[in-house]
Amino acid sequence: RKEVEQDPGPFNVPEGATVAFNCTYSNSASQSFFWYRQDCRKEPKLLMSVYSSGNEDGRFTAQLNRASQYISLLIRDSKLSDSATYLCVVNGGMNSGYSTLTFGKGTMLLVSP
Amino acid sequence: EADIYQTPRYLVIGTGKKITLECSQTMGHDKMYWYQQDPGMELHLIHYSYGVNSTEKGDLSSESTVSRIRTEHFPLTLESARPSHTSQYLCASSELRETGYEQFFGPGTRLTVL
Repeated sequence: RKEVEQDPGPFNVPEGATVAFNCTYSNSASQSFFWYRQDCRKEPKLLMSVYSSGNEDGRFTAQLNRASQYISLLIRDSKLSDSATYLCVVNGGMNSGYSTLTFGKGTMLLVSP
Repeated sequence: EADIYQTPRYLVIGTGKKITLECSQTMGHDKMYWYQQDPGMELHLIHYSYGVNSTEKGDLSSESTVSRIRTEHFPLTLESARPSHTSQYLCASSELRETGYEQFFGPGTRLTVL
């Protein structure tokens, strides 16, 4: 089982749509959770951290369910510029310490006019 | 924008050559990381460092080595490049925030070994 599993993509949506990404993680000791965004052939950039109580940043809402080891990201009113790969990230790794991060494979989002 | 730099951005080299990928950050971060990412695949941690003179192997086995003589500098070396080393190599550094260690990435080095 992969440490971080995400929905396989790509997700093709029209502008203005609402899209939800799901993620599960296997390390129950993980304490930090993030969503990163990676544009094609670019480096990952932090989109938002995920708080235990859930949090919102503009059109983006992140939720965490520790009991189910599940993280979600909701994007409302999709823009063309939201087209990218969204990476679910948790701290801790198989052999490395808890200041390291483990990345999911990512879910690609394609927003069309 | 994060102040973390990688050189070269692109490298095409023949089998058997020794190469060093450079990574520098000006943020004073103690923790630095190297990842390997193949197209369409997830990032895999290959090395990390908690500070000067500290280096550890990551979750993915790698034939590369790293050094950390200065806080700002974390170079990665391949003694004898092979076609199987062809990949993108991403360097990162991290800062402790309220929600944990947030990582900032350099632009990456795309390595092709012929």
